[in-house]
Amino acid sequence: AQSVTQLDSQVPVFEEAPVELRCNYSSSVSVYLFWYVQYPNQGLQLLLKYLSGSTLVKGINGFEAEFNKSQTSFHLRKPSVHISDTAEYFCAVSNYGGSQGNLIFGKGTKLSVKP
Amino acid sequence: ETGVTQSPTHLIKTRGQQVTLRCSSQSGHNTVSWYQQALGQGPQFIFQYYREEENGRGNFPPRFSGLQFPNYSSELNVNALELDDSALYLCASSRGLAGFTDTQYFGPGTRLTVL
Repeated sequence: AQSVTQLDSQVPVFEEAPVELRCNYSSSVSVYLFWYVQYPNQGLQLLLKYLSGSTLVKGINGFEAEFNKSQTSFHLRKPSVHISDTAEYFCAVSNYGGSQGNLIFGKGTKLSVKP
Repeated sequence: ETGVTQSPTHLIKTRGQQVTLRCSSQSGHNTVSWYQQALGQGPQFIFQYYREEENGRGNFPPRFSGLQFPNYSSELNVNALELDDSALYLCASSRGLAGFTDTQYFGPGTRLTVL
């Protein structure tokens, strides 16, 4: 069975500082990987996804993530955060052959950007 | 192009009652997925509908059922409500079963409280 672990439930950071949100997954088969963001009282928005190819994936709003197969990780990074990045971030995984509906999400990391 | 909409926004029910949640998919999308997001947790996949047929189901009991209509809007029905059914219910639509080349677009969710 697949699972996703987001190592930090809350990450406080000052504006313009870099941030890394950590995600590890377990799966016995090859996977697709995703990061979603959820702003207060809103649905989820896709930030980026890894399907194949380059292990460094660039997404919206200046975010990027690196797929590391040997460490089964898919950490999300941003070199300089803004107040508007305050939100909850979810890492998700699905295996080859599954429809995109069969996403397995982590418990989320709340990013709090302070001025 | 309108996004994914869900109704109602909030709902309060008592244990044992039945509830119906509604979702209108984004224009041009024929696939709808439903997720349950309990407080402090990541979303959990309930089921997916593609062209009015169920196409995959998560680990939810049969009292969770759904429908998709010819216009691709969808309903989620939950019978015999339990306290643990209290959660945010998210609907997501996508253009089709084109694998991960299609992005899922999420609605804002329906907050269900069971007393």
